[in-house]
Amino acid sequence: NAGVMQNPRHLVRRRGQEARLRCSPMKGHSHVYWYRQLPEEGLKFMVYLQKENIIDESGMPKERFSAEFPKEGPSILRIQQVVRGDSAAYFCASSGQGYEQYFGPGTRLTVT
Amino acid sequence: GQQLNQSPQSMFIQEGEDVSMNCTSSSIFNTWLWYKQDPGEGPVLLIALYKAGELTSNGRLTAQFGITRKDSFLNISASIPSDVGIYFCAGETGNQFYFGTGTSLTVIP
Repeated sequence: NAGVMQNPRHLVRRRGQEARLRCSPMKGHSHVYWYRQLPEEGLKFMVYLQKENIIDESGMPKERFSAEFPKEGPSILRIQQVVRGDSAAYFCASSGQGYEQYFGPGTRLTVT
Repeated sequence: GQQLNQSPQSMFIQEGEDVSMNCTSSSIFNTWLWYKQDPGEGPVLLIALYKAGELTSNGRLTAQFGITRKDSFLNISASIPSDVGIYFCAGETGNQFYFGTGTSLTVIP
């Protein structure tokens, strides 16, 4: 399966815990994007990364959220000290040289 | 951020009918993409448009990049039950993508 992979698919965290979401892009893709989707809403851009670089993080909350895409391994979206309002579906997408983004199946985060 | 207005918000149609939905913006985009999302899944890319005026087909789907670069439409011909889902438009400018709020399509057999 050469598609975008995300894990875990479902994640439950208590308030105050940390959430780590992982994304492996399609083979050959070096651009990764993270989006957040609330129920019955569109996707909201969070951050755009290339290997070892954050290109655009204008959609990322200033506190508690961080993202990385290391030279080796998947991209990680990290949410520290989660709150109930962080509950959402988080999608990552990858692209190659063009602008066609291919999405993973998402991680559904529930904060209790 | 940029605002993409997608309409209609929802559609209920009979199997076999044609469907049309569109996206408009006050801003110019370089690329328009159309996606379909099934419940519990990630969006799946349907059509990508790169040039103003471009008309592209993918099976029963046809999409156009508006001449003003501020809009795009998606048509589905002869709808079938598996067309059910939420359709999103997305516009790209400056390496950033903005998504519409989606059109929920229900096909009645």
